[in-house]
Amino acid sequence: AQSVAQPEDQVNVAEGNPLTVKCTYSVSGNPYLFWYVQYPNRGLQFLLKYITGDNLVKGSYGFEAEFNKSQTSFHLKKPSALVSDSALYFCAVRLFGNQFYFGTGTSLTVIP
Amino acid sequence: GAVVSQHPSRVICKSGTSVKIECRSLDFQATTMFWYRQFPKQSLMLMATSNEGSKATYEQGVEKDKFLINHASLTLSTLTVTSAHPEDSSFYICSASGQGDEQYFGPGTRLTVT
Repeated sequence: AQSVAQPEDQVNVAEGNPLTVKCTYSVSGNPYLFWYVQYPNRGLQFLLKYITGDNLVKGSYGFEAEFNKSQTSFHLKKPSALVSDSALYFCAVRLFGNQFYFGTGTSLTVIP
Repeated sequence: GAVVSQHPSRVICKSGTSVKIECRSLDFQATTMFWYRQFPKQSLMLMATSNEGSKATYEQGVEKDKFLINHASLTLSTLTVTSAHPEDSSFYICSASGQGDEQYFGPGTRLTVT
């Protein structure tokens, strides 16, 4: 069965430090993987996606993610966290028919 | 980029009444629209998938007679919560996709049933 796991409900990081939000997946075939960010009472905003090609994907707001096929991971990273990055982050895998399956979300808090 | 709007952003209704939520793709044609429900601090739960001009496909456990979905045009889908109850209170998010790989999400609608 297709699934996406975000093992951490909460990640805290100091402002200016690098951040990582973890995601692992289990899909058949080649995965289409996405990261979205959600601010309170708002919809989801697209950050980046991996379809094919380079394993390191660069996205919006300085975020990047590395696709690791052997570890079936797609961790989200940023070299230097900002307080404004505090939000809820969702990893997602695209399934048949453009249907998305979302992870449970990780709440990121960047501490000033 | 592609923009998806939802209306209303917030709605309060009395138990037993029905409420309609609109989802519009403003600058592209959405061949497929999705409706999600999100509980506080939880992930998005896909409720149904709708393709323009055809009946929606509901996920297991979602009552199709309670959550009526209409996708009458390539830019508009509606979700009607019929005979709403307090347990239907939630954050409802729609998304739309065109020819590409991405889904574009609306800003969400906060439904409160009193």
